[in-house]
Amino acid sequence: ETGVTQTPRHLVMGMTNKKSLKCEQHLGHNAMYWYKQSAKKPLELMFVYSLEERVENNSVPSRFSPECPNSSHLFLHLHTLQPEDSALYLCASSQDPRQGAADTQYFGPGTRLTVL
Amino acid sequence: AQSVTQLDSQVPVFEEAPVELRCNYSSSVSVYLFWYVQYPNQGLQLLLKYLSGSTLVKGINGFEAEFNKSQTSFHLRKPSVHISDTAEYFCAVSGSGTSGTYKYIFGTGTRLKVLA
Repeated sequence: ETGVTQTPRHLVMGMTNKKSLKCEQHLGHNAMYWYKQSAKKPLELMFVYSLEERVENNSVPSRFSPECPNSSHLFLHLHTLQPEDSALYLCASSQDPRQGAADTQYFGPGTRLTVL
Repeated sequence: AQSVTQLDSQVPVFEEAPVELRCNYSSSVSVYLFWYVQYPNQGLQLLLKYLSGSTLVKGINGFEAEFNKSQTSFHLRKPSVHISDTAEYFCAVSGSGTSGTYKYIFGTGTRLKVLA
């Protein structure tokens, strides 16, 4: 596997379910990100991890809980979601955001989440 | 605070015709500018980026963009498009976030549809 992979690619869940999204990067990067992509809206940055430490949290509801056990893996744990949380969730990685704003981000294909 | 505006949500163009996708940004500090492309069912991929130096930036797949500081624009151009260029294009600006990190602000995207 190369680049950034995400599983599952599609997920349908009820509002009372608990599920997790997984992201893995094979690029040797030190920073990982979760974005939410909804139709007609800009990508929304949700969480940033640098060297496994959360460095950015953009006022995301607590029903989304990230976990970064090491620099290659990132999870997004979901519980009691709402229908408006249905979206494409993208994971990305970069060398290290503390190196500067010129850091290129590498994206996975995303998980299409539908909340019923 | 930074922001990015992509005025055109959709741009239809015939194959082998030139195309320009518009991007304007606002920022009170120096920024770095990016264009990403998203093909169907895939994550975002970097096309090109402006960090400093020459205002004309060349990217992959024959695309180029020109940084215009006085007009706060970073329009993307291609002299002759192909069917395979059909995708969604995102402009982004990066700047300081909290904790000394940098984060991207994305535009809403422009859907380029190349017609045969």
